[in-house]
Amino acid sequence: AQSVTQPDIHITVSEGASLELRCNYSYGATPYLFWYVQSPGQGLQLLLKYFSGDTLVQGIKGFEAEFKRSQSSFNLRKPSVHWSDAAEYFCAVRGQGAQKLVFGQGTRLTINP
Amino acid sequence: NAGVTQTPKFQVLKTGQSMTLQCAQDMNHNSMYWYRQDPGMGLRLIYYSASEGTTDKGEVPNGYNVSRLNKREFSLRLESAAPSQTSVYFCASSDTGIENQPQHFGDGTRLSIL
Repeated sequence: AQSVTQPDIHITVSEGASLELRCNYSYGATPYLFWYVQSPGQGLQLLLKYFSGDTLVQGIKGFEAEFKRSQSSFNLRKPSVHWSDAAEYFCAVRGQGAQKLVFGQGTRLTINP
Repeated sequence: NAGVTQTPKFQVLKTGQSMTLQCAQDMNHNSMYWYRQDPGMGLRLIYYSASEGTTDKGEVPNGYNVSRLNKREFSLRLESAAPSQTSVYFCASSDTGIENQPQHFGDGTRLSIL
């Protein structure tokens, strides 16, 4: 069965600094990988997804993520964060042909002015 | 674009009361899902419906029932609410007829059981 681990429960960065949120997954084959963002009181919005091909994927709001098969990782990055990026971020995995999406525990991002 | 619509947005119940959470999507998606979100636990799948007329249990189905009323609507029912069911509930949908499609989420229902 697939699983997802987000090692960092809470991260604080200064506005304008770079950001990397970690995600490690467990799955026997190449999975489908997703990053979602949740602003307070809102639902989840898709940031980006990986299915195959280029291992560096670009998403909305200036985010990117890199799939590294050897490390079973799909880390999310942004070169320069904005105060509006403060939110909770979820990594998720789905097996090929599977219905179910498995989520990590989430990482809460705080931005210092 | 409405996307996935959940009603109500907030609800407070007493232990033992029943309630149905409603979800509707206007994207003509085949599959629909119900999740609960609890602090530090991410989202956990309660039930899902791969297509109209089918439903299956997810990770945490106990205490819940679902109905896929038609292609647009998927409801979640708590027959006898318990304090442990205090949570934020999210409905999602996806077009699994096209491989690789992500799930689209509603804004959630915040449910408190006293």
